[in-house]
Amino acid sequence: GDSVTQMEGPVTLSEEAFLTINCTYTATGYPSLFWYVQYPGEGLQLLLKATKADDKGSNKGFEATYRKETTSFHLEKGSVQVSDSAVYFCALRGENNNAGNMLTFGGGTRLMVKP
Amino acid sequence: ETGVTQSPTHLIKTRGQQVTLRCSSQSGHNTVSWYQQALGQGPQFIFQYYREEENGRGNFPPRFSGLQFPNYSSELNVNALELDDSALYLCASSLTSLRRNEQFFGPGTRLTVL
Repeated sequence: GDSVTQMEGPVTLSEEAFLTINCTYTATGYPSLFWYVQYPGEGLQLLLKATKADDKGSNKGFEATYRKETTSFHLEKGSVQVSDSAVYFCALRGENNNAGNMLTFGGGTRLMVKP
Repeated sequence: ETGVTQSPTHLIKTRGQQVTLRCSSQSGHNTVSWYQQALGQGPQFIFQYYREEENGRGNFPPRFSGLQFPNYSSELNVNALELDDSALYLCASSLTSLRRNEQFFGPGTRLTVL
């Protein structure tokens, strides 16, 4: 079945540092790929998405490129802020789901940004 | 436009009890999905309801059941609670169950089973 693997955290960075959170996936066909963010005590918010190979999703300075050849969707940001501290989840929506738009999530990566 | 709401926010139960969690979908959405997020893990799909019918199920036992009402709100019921059922339960609604429709998540219900 479909699966998503993320780098384990926590990732601790200083403010204005460069961020990369790795995500790889296993799925048949051409899944859609997502990054969600979860702030303390809150639900999930969609951060960005890409629906086909070589698409780049971007939002709030975060970017991720759908790489079919390496089955990856790594999250990057050029300069993190303290307010970016949260848990980040990589997810996919497969082509052969038993429920049309269900999501398969990775285990999450906690990001801590220090002033 | 009101987003996805869930109740209660927190709940404490003891092993063997039954629990009902509630979700109100975003206005105009007819599809609700439920996910279980154990501490330190990613959400796991439980099941989805589309127009009051179950539309897919993840790898969860039958003691996890659900309902969707004519106004598209939904309930998640868990019988015979086990310690491992302690988790954040997330509800997500979408316009329809079609793959292209984004899911919008509620804040979750934190269930603790003692």
